[in-house]
Amino acid sequence: GDSVVQTEGQVLPSEGDSLIVNCSYETTQYPSLFWYVQYPGEGPQLHLKAMKANDKGRNKGFEAMYRKETTSFHLEKDSVQESDSAVYFCALIDTGRRALTFGSGTRLQVQP
Amino acid sequence: GAGVSQSPSNKVTEKGKDVELRCDPISGHTALYWYRQSLGQGLEFLIYFQGNSAPDKSGLPSDRFSAERTGGSVSTLTIQRTQQEDSAVYLCASSLGGPTDTQYFGPGTRLTVL
Repeated sequence: GDSVVQTEGQVLPSEGDSLIVNCSYETTQYPSLFWYVQYPGEGPQLHLKAMKANDKGRNKGFEAMYRKETTSFHLEKDSVQESDSAVYFCALIDTGRRALTFGSGTRLQVQP
Repeated sequence: GAGVSQSPSNKVTEKGKDVELRCDPISGHTALYWYRQSLGQGLEFLIYFQGNSAPDKSGLPSDRFSAERTGGSVSTLTIQRTQQEDSAVYLCASSLGGPTDTQYFGPGTRLTVL
């Protein structure tokens, strides 16, 4: 079946640091890829998405490139802010399905 | 506009009791999804509705779990004979219905089974 792997459970950068949050996926089809962000007490909300290989999703200074050759969709930002602190989930929707398959999440806690 | 709403926000029940969780999707959204979020299992898909029919029920963990949707709008997730492992946050999402249309999530119902 489909799977999404996020290797970091938590990252603790300082404000102004660059960020990479890793995401790898496994599927037999041609998925669409997503990053969702979740704040305390709320449901996840879409952060950015990429529909096909070599697409780049962008939002609020974050970027993620859909790399089919390495089956990856890493989330990157040049300079993180304290307000970016949240839990970030990588997810996919496989061809012919509607269900999101989520990774285990990465808690981003930006230090002031 | 109004987002996805869920009720109750919190539910505490005793093992063996039945519970009903409600979801009100965004008006005009034809697709509705239920997910479960727990510490051990992360975010898991349960069931997907398109209109009032459920073409994908593959995530329901057992026959104690069922869901219905009426009038193409409100949905109810029912858990019968609750077990402690059912404790989780149950999240509802809705979308316009296309394969990759954005799924908008509600705040969830936190279920605690004692």
